[in-house]
Amino acid sequence: EVQLVQSGAEVKKPGESLKISCKGSGYSFTSYWIGWVRQMPGKGLEWMGIIYPGDSDTRYSPSFQGQVTISADKSISTAYLQWSSLKASDTAMYYCARQGVQMTAPFDYWGQGTLVTVSS
Amino acid sequence: DIQMTQSPSSLSASVGDRVTITCRASQSISSYLNWYQQKPGKAPKLLIYAASSLQSGVPSRFSGSGSGTDFTLTISSLQPEDFATYYCQQSYSTSITFGQGTRLEIK
Repeated sequence: EVQLVQSGAEVKKPGESLKISCKGSGYSFTSYWIGWVRQMPGKGLEWMGIIYPGDSDTRYSPSFQGQVTISADKSISTAYLQWSSLKASDTAMYYCARQGVQMTAPFDYWGQGTLVTVSS
Repeated sequence: DIQMTQSPSSLSASVGDRVTITCRASQSISSYLNWYQQKPGKAPKLLIYAASSLQSGVPSRFSGSGSGTDFTLTISSLQPEDFATYYCQQSYSTSITFGQGTRLEIK
């Protein structure tokens, strides 16, 4: 069974750093793109970027380029999303999702989401 | 970026109704259009991929059509569990974009 299990909710202060994770199981982790999607409170879905764990090829949405870093450790089948300096506007639910072998594939499996709250 | 515009933004309907949601792309995306359902507090769920292919396990009352710039999601006979928010998403461009969502509410 394909599963993506994300790390737990985080409460941080502005300016702090954070790295959240997404662990894949039940499939060949290195053969599928993994994407990250933001959902701000009461708002829609925003694509942040994707990574191919097989070779760490990474693409970012122009809106998130330079704001976050996406990485992966294929030895433990885990993808990451990190911030070096959080802002209050980063408060949101963050989902990872498996995109499939091709970048044109849909997101067919999703993690349960990680709620990030940034508040002083 | 390719802009995806859904209509309507919200919709009230009754159990048993036939419902259609529209998604328009700002440029041609061939058939690289996917539909997702999201219920409150839950992750999105893939319903339709490649414009018209039904994801495994999704009830056949859901269907999708279209190509190029104009697409539709149709629910043939609404069930109580279908009241949710629906999003279209283009995967034609390496910079993926979602529509703003359509909230389907009980009348």
